[in-house]
Amino acid sequence: DVKVTQSSRYLVKRTGEKVFLECVQDMDHENMFWYRQDPGLGLRLIYFSYDVKMKEKGDIPEGYSVSREKKERFSLILESASTNQTSMYLCASSPHENTEAFFGQGTRLTVV
Amino acid sequence: SQQGEEDPQALSIQEGENATMNCSYKTSINNLQWYRQNSGRGLVHLILIRSNEREKHSGRLRVTLDTSKKSSSLLITASRAADTASYFCATDSRIAGNMLTFGGGTRLMVKP
Repeated sequence: DVKVTQSSRYLVKRTGEKVFLECVQDMDHENMFWYRQDPGLGLRLIYFSYDVKMKEKGDIPEGYSVSREKKERFSLILESASTNQTSMYLCASSPHENTEAFFGQGTRLTVV
Repeated sequence: SQQGEEDPQALSIQEGENATMNCSYKTSINNLQWYRQNSGRGLVHLILIRSNEREKHSGRLRVTLDTSKKSSSLLITASRAADTASYFCATDSRIAGNMLTFGGGTRLMVKP
């Protein structure tokens, strides 16, 4: 079975902190995604990576950056966390275009 | 901006009834996918329908796609209490750089 693992289920950080959310997949997938999910807004794409060191901005990249140094790992970075970044963050991977995506369990981040 | 929009936002039915959820999207697509999310968890892929397909079945699930109307529907037949979850449609579009973009979801409650 494909496994997408997010490093934390719950995280509490202070305003202004630099926050790293880690995601690892074990199936050699080309594509990896970071989404945030908020009530009433569904899933919004933050960043997308289709290869090592390659990234594309999604719908809401402001305040975030990403890193993909190895194929299996895709990190989401909040350079200076703010309270409006309190949300559920979901990582996903897919083998290539036109295929299903596999999701991690999500990280619920609270910024205080 | 979100590509897909689900309708209704919430649906409550009795066990044994059928549940129908609709999804509309804006641009041409490679495929359309449906996902399920149990409360506070990651998303699980249900079914993928390609742009040249009109209908697809998987167990109690039936998905239709009308590319002329840019819409899809998900039908769950003979619903069970365990089907209670949120359901999301997602589109994979070459115009969107093959990013997988989601709608706001339909919250389904199946009462025993």
